[in-house]
Amino acid sequence: GAVVSQHPSRVICKSGTSVKIECRSLDFQATTMFWYRQFPKQSLMLMATSNEGSKATYEQGVEKDKFLINHASLTLSTLTVTSAHPEDSSFYICSAGQLIFNEKLFFGSGTQLSVL
Amino acid sequence: AQKITQTQPGMFVQEKEAVTLDCTYDTSDQSYGLFWYKQPSSGEMIFLIYQGSYDEQNATEGRYSLNFQKARKSANLVISASQLGDSAMYFCAMRTNQGGKLIFGQGTELSVKP
Repeated sequence: GAVVSQHPSRVICKSGTSVKIECRSLDFQATTMFWYRQFPKQSLMLMATSNEGSKATYEQGVEKDKFLINHASLTLSTLTVTSAHPEDSSFYICSAGQLIFNEKLFFGSGTQLSVL
Repeated sequence: AQKITQTQPGMFVQEKEAVTLDCTYDTSDQSYGLFWYKQPSSGEMIFLIYQGSYDEQNATEGRYSLNFQKARKSANLVISASQLGDSAMYFCAMRTNQGGKLIFGQGTELSVKP
């Protein structure tokens, strides 16, 4: 099956710094990538939808200036957590695919962010 | 509005027995897809099975089958012959033609006992 690569898998940073997470589709072109956030023992909450070459669409309640998403090519999307704070500590996971309801999405392996 | 509901926070099953994980959904769209994903402790999301809203037959993938009852808006996952490696979080999810977003239920933590 298709492969989505996500890096880094784990990052620890100091409060106030910015962290960039990359999501790459390795063997297919992903017109759309989705970014999710997950707290321990909870569900995946959709943060934003990014389409190649256009601005990301953020879900209600997600600060777009806090979570910067860039989808510069058909194989790469990045999520930057700006001025991270301890409450931003979470598991972030991306998925990639087409905007078709009957197509499964492929997921990256996730990034565990810990802000000290 | 679209919604996925999993009412079983945790389930236990004896090894080699079958288990059913419940999932109900709500959408006004006629075209939608229902998915089940497995998430082990490593965090990766593993696709298990898919059911389309127009599919008349229940989907099956090896030991996984989906009990699709459209009128009741339910899409329960049945795992037959449970194995210790099946212990994980299981998420039901739905996509519609409205933006193509994949939204998830709350998840069910399955524990398989030896």
